[in-house]
Amino acid sequence: GQQLNQSPQSMFIQEGEDVSMNCTSSSIFNTWLWYKQEPGEGPVLLIALYKAGELTSNGRLTAQFGITRKDSFLNISASIPSDVGIYFCAGQRWEYGNKLVFGAGTILRVKS
Amino acid sequence: DADVTQTPRNRITKTGKRIMLECSQTKGHDRMYWYRQDPGLGLRLIYYSFDVKDINKGEISDGYSVSRQAQAKFSLSLESAIPNQTALYFCATGDRVNEQFFGPGTRLTVL
Repeated sequence: GQQLNQSPQSMFIQEGEDVSMNCTSSSIFNTWLWYKQEPGEGPVLLIALYKAGELTSNGRLTAQFGITRKDSFLNISASIPSDVGIYFCAGQRWEYGNKLVFGAGTILRVKS
Repeated sequence: DADVTQTPRNRITKTGKRIMLECSQTKGHDRMYWYRQDPGLGLRLIYYSFDVKDINKGEISDGYSVSRQAQAKFSLSLESAIPNQTALYFCATGDRVNEQFFGPGTRLTVL
């Protein structure tokens, strides 16, 4: 089946630090999505990317659709305590019936 | 009011019991999905439906069934629950570009 490799698995950072996480695959994807899940809640869509090379921001979050279409990156600048949660990447391929494939998630903890 | 609601939010049951998890949405989306979340495995697709007459198996459909009662309602059933079906279950809806929107989840424990 399809697989997305998401790293790092977890991060424990100091408040104010920048955060980077990424997602890679051996397959090409047509869409990359980044979600955040907080405890007791469902994942919430942060950023959607539709074109190779696309760079999109949402406040302190910036995500990029890799040029090879096989990877995507999410950066969070100047982290704050409410950034805590699990971040998931998800990819969509037309050949896969437009279903989403999810990475295993990056657990982010912020030390204030 | 939430756009995607799931009931129940928590359920503890015994091996062999039949369980139904329900999902309702007010977003007007045609596409609905059921996922299962296990620690370290992300979300895995169980079943999905692109409209009321359409039902498709996902990655891990064995042991599960679904019913799409209306555009707004999509239920997941475990006919005979087993302990390894203990997990967090999410319903999601999607628009044409497939940006999926998730419900709050149901935590199911099978003893």
